[in-house]
Amino acid sequence: DAGITQSPRHKVTETGTPVTLRCHQTENHRYMYWYRQDPGHGLRLIHYSYGVKDTDKGEVSDGYSVSRSKTEDFLLTLESATSSQTSVYFCAISDPTDTQYFGPGTRLTVL
Amino acid sequence: GNSVTQMEGPVTLSEEAFLTINCTYTATGYPSLFWYVQYPGEGLQLLLKATKADDKGSNKGFEATYRKETTSFHLEKGSVQVSDSAVYFCALRGAPIQGAQKLVFGQGTRLTINP
Repeated sequence: DAGITQSPRHKVTETGTPVTLRCHQTENHRYMYWYRQDPGHGLRLIHYSYGVKDTDKGEVSDGYSVSRSKTEDFLLTLESATSSQTSVYFCAISDPTDTQYFGPGTRLTVL
Repeated sequence: GNSVTQMEGPVTLSEEAFLTINCTYTATGYPSLFWYVQYPGEGLQLLLKATKADDKGSNKGFEATYRKETTSFHLEKGSVQVSDSAVYFCALRGAPIQGAQKLVFGQGTRLTINP
């Protein structure tokens, strides 16, 4: 298994509060991604990173920001959580063989 | 833009039955195509992939052929097992941007195999 961990694994928060999810990899890969998974939508890309301090938006980036200060960590922040951001969040990395590996996911509930 | 459409689920089969999960796509250029599987409580795992037309990806008894003429990548298995129960996602990757592999997923098909 690719060395990807996510923390926390579960979180319940209230509307309007800030939330940060962490993705940590031990593979030293350049590319990292954040997705959200919702019923009927599959997975949708939120943001991705192509190197330290290099990030760009995906298809559903509104309300989210990311940071990558070192290769192994990619943070996803919800500045002011809303109920529509209740979801399961997956981090992923891609290797030079064009394979994408996913973390175990974080289940976020916004009340 | 790029998009992927999978057959509606859930799909329920008996053990040893033949499985087909349909996947069609819309894309510009020549995308790479993937099938991912998600077991309960876990992240997605790559099941198989194909990078050009007429390529066949295969793994664990599953197969899918990249058909450019019908823009399809249907997943098949000749004899399913209870352990194949999972959610299956079809995905495509267009041309890399800044080298990043941006995947577009279908909505997923939940498969349940009964003994």
